[in-house]
Amino acid sequence: EPEVTQTPSHQVTQMGQEVILRCVPISNHLYFYWYRQILGQKVEFLVSFYNNEISEKSEIFDDQFSVERPDGSNFTLKIRSTKLEDSAMYFCASSPDANYGYTFGSGTRLTVV
Amino acid sequence: QKEVEQDPGPLSVPEGAIVSLNCTYSNSAFQYFMWYRQYSRKGPELLMYTYSSGNKEDGRFTAQVDKSSKYISLFIRDSQPSDSATYLCAMKDAGGTSYGKLTFGQGTILTVHP
Repeated sequence: EPEVTQTPSHQVTQMGQEVILRCVPISNHLYFYWYRQILGQKVEFLVSFYNNEISEKSEIFDDQFSVERPDGSNFTLKIRSTKLEDSAMYFCASSPDANYGYTFGSGTRLTVV
Repeated sequence: QKEVEQDPGPLSVPEGAIVSLNCTYSNSAFQYFMWYRQYSRKGPELLMYTYSSGNKEDGRFTAQVDKSSKYISLFIRDSQPSDSATYLCAMKDAGGTSYGKLTFGQGTILTVHP
């Protein structure tokens, strides 16, 4: 069964550093998403991406964050100048259509120290 | 009022029991309703996907949506220890500026003991 692949599975970074989280969505999917889950809290929407541009973003997704699809397969989330409160599981997801169930990756656990 | 409310549990049942999981919501624009299962430190896995009101069955799982009451349910029949996980409800509206943003519930932790 096709899956969404995320790397790395765990990233530890120092406060103030930049991190890039990587995702390979399912190949024939057109919509891409990033969500995050702080330990013990809800899964929260960050951003959706379609047709090579951001289609929607949440209040969390401020200038510290950016997304990119640098080639036909990868989808990245960059977090500049990380803060302690950015520590969370970050999930990438993709879907063939906006009105369809998503497939989530296994996540990247980001720890900011 | 929270947009999506879900009792976090935990819920503990014996093997073979029927499990009922529920969510309520306040946003009447929600049209698409999903249930995800999440094992510890893993990503959410889509279990059920329904549009608008009604029932949907898939094996041991039945999803129900009552839009008039803003209430959705997931039933698990003949529960197994392997069903032990966190169950997340999620929903989205049909259009406008929404490109698929899901709003999740808190998740219900389920343990099925042998």
